[in-house]
Amino acid sequence: GAGVSQSPSNKVTEKGKDVELRCDPISGHTALYWYRQRLGQGLEFLIYFQGNSAPDKSGLPSDRFSAERTGESVSTLTIQRTQQEDSAVYLCASSPHGTGDEKLFFGSGTQLSVL
Amino acid sequence: GENVEQHPSTLSVQEGDSAVIKCTYSDSASNYFPWYKQELGKRPQLIIDIRSNVGEKKDQRIAVTLNKTAKHFSLHITETQPEDSAVYFCAASSGAGYSTLTFGKGTMLLVSP
Repeated sequence: GAGVSQSPSNKVTEKGKDVELRCDPISGHTALYWYRQRLGQGLEFLIYFQGNSAPDKSGLPSDRFSAERTGESVSTLTIQRTQQEDSAVYLCASSPHGTGDEKLFFGSGTQLSVL
Repeated sequence: GENVEQHPSTLSVQEGDSAVIKCTYSDSASNYFPWYKQELGKRPQLIIDIRSNVGEKKDQRIAVTLNKTAKHFSLHITETQPEDSAVYFCAASSGAGYSTLTFGKGTMLLVSP
């Protein structure tokens, strides 16, 4: 595709339910990142994939959060037993090589609302 | 780990004025400093970046300066226009393998006509 694609664009769920957020990076991009953006806040790093491996998952806030990437392509961020504080925009980004000094291409995000 | 502080959190200017946003970082190993612009309801996009081997970089009306000794860098926008209104994020990275960007909390820039 032309850019990073995320789905769904909006997700409303009830407290305690599990949710899955999907990211389709730019084809051929080795690195994939998940960030969380709470209302009016900055970009909080969650996890980084190099290929299908996650060398840095230090930003995952709790064991309710997990992510995987398959085929060096699609990634899924799963939040189990959602809490109201999980409400945020979840942004995915990809970059060609994951060198840490290259442009990140962001998706348009998934707005998660936990009622 | 890296910590990036960004100031101010909001900045209001009149069209045509200059705007300056400042960031400090904590990790002396950081050597890559990008700036991202996020318009309301849109995705963040890279507008300019600087590496530690240069002190200043310009691109039309925007410029970034870096002081490695003091561990701070700044974004300068001259002749501001209403379309410059957005949230601006600074970030820092060591640029080494498996390093990731640490972002500041953002500055909301409002340019009034």
